[in-house]
Amino acid sequence: GAVVSQHPSWVICKSGTSVKIECRSLDFQATTMFWYRQFPKQSLMLMATSNEGSKATYEQGVEKDKFLINHASLTLSTLTVTSAHPEDSSFYICSARDWGSNSNQPQHFGDGTRLSIL
Amino acid sequence: RKEVEQDPGPFNVPEGATVAFNCTYSNSASQSFFWYRQDCRKEPKLLMSVYSSGNEDGRFTAQLNRASQYISLLIRDSKLSDSATYLCVPFLETGANNLFFGTGTRLTVIP
Repeated sequence: GAVVSQHPSWVICKSGTSVKIECRSLDFQATTMFWYRQFPKQSLMLMATSNEGSKATYEQGVEKDKFLINHASLTLSTLTVTSAHPEDSSFYICSARDWGSNSNQPQHFGDGTRLSIL
Repeated sequence: RKEVEQDPGPFNVPEGATVAFNCTYSNSASQSFFWYRQDCRKEPKLLMSVYSSGNEDGRFTAQLNRASQYISLLIRDSKLSDSATYLCVPFLETGANNLFFGTGTRLTVIP
C-alpha cells in the first residue's frame, strides 16, 4: 500500500536553529502534500498545502517566511522551520494523497516529527 | 462554529465494555467521513470509512445521520489496545484537501 516516509522522527535543537523536515511518498507520486502541526492535547491543524512545482498555499495565521516549504519533485516535500524558537516545539506531520489509487484513504500520513526547541 | 465537535472525554472503560463516541460536523457538503485513531505521539491511522448510513467492521460500528450531521462510533468488547484518541474526520471531495480534524475523544480501556 501507499507509504509516506517522514524524516527525522525527533529533533532537539537550540533556539535560533533552522530545522528541515522531509516528507517522501515512497511508492506513488504526490503532486500535493500537506503539512500539519499538533500541539499537546490539541487537534491536528493544517499549516500549508505543498504543491509540486509551485508555491505552497498557507493557512491563515501561518507565516510563510517562517515555515518554508519546497516541493521540488513528485515524491518529496520539505518543511523548514527557520530560526526556531521554543514556541515552535510541536508535532509536525505530513500527508499525501495517492490520486492514482483505489484506496479508501483520503490521505496517507507520515510518522510525524517531534520538534523540541530548547 | 467548529468544523467538527467531539466530546474530548476521557472515557475510561473496563475491558470488554461497549463504548460509543459521538461527533457532529458543521459542513453539510461533506461527502465522506472517516474515523481515525491516534496513539500518543503518533500519526493518525485510518480506522473506518463511512460513506452511507454506516458500516460495521468487526467490533467497530460507525453510523452516519446526514440530516442531523452526526456520526457515531461504537466499540464492542473493548480491548486494552483500543486505548487511543479517536478522531472523527469529515471530508470534502472538492479541493485539494479538506480533512478537518477535531481534538478527538480520548479512550482508556482499563484491565
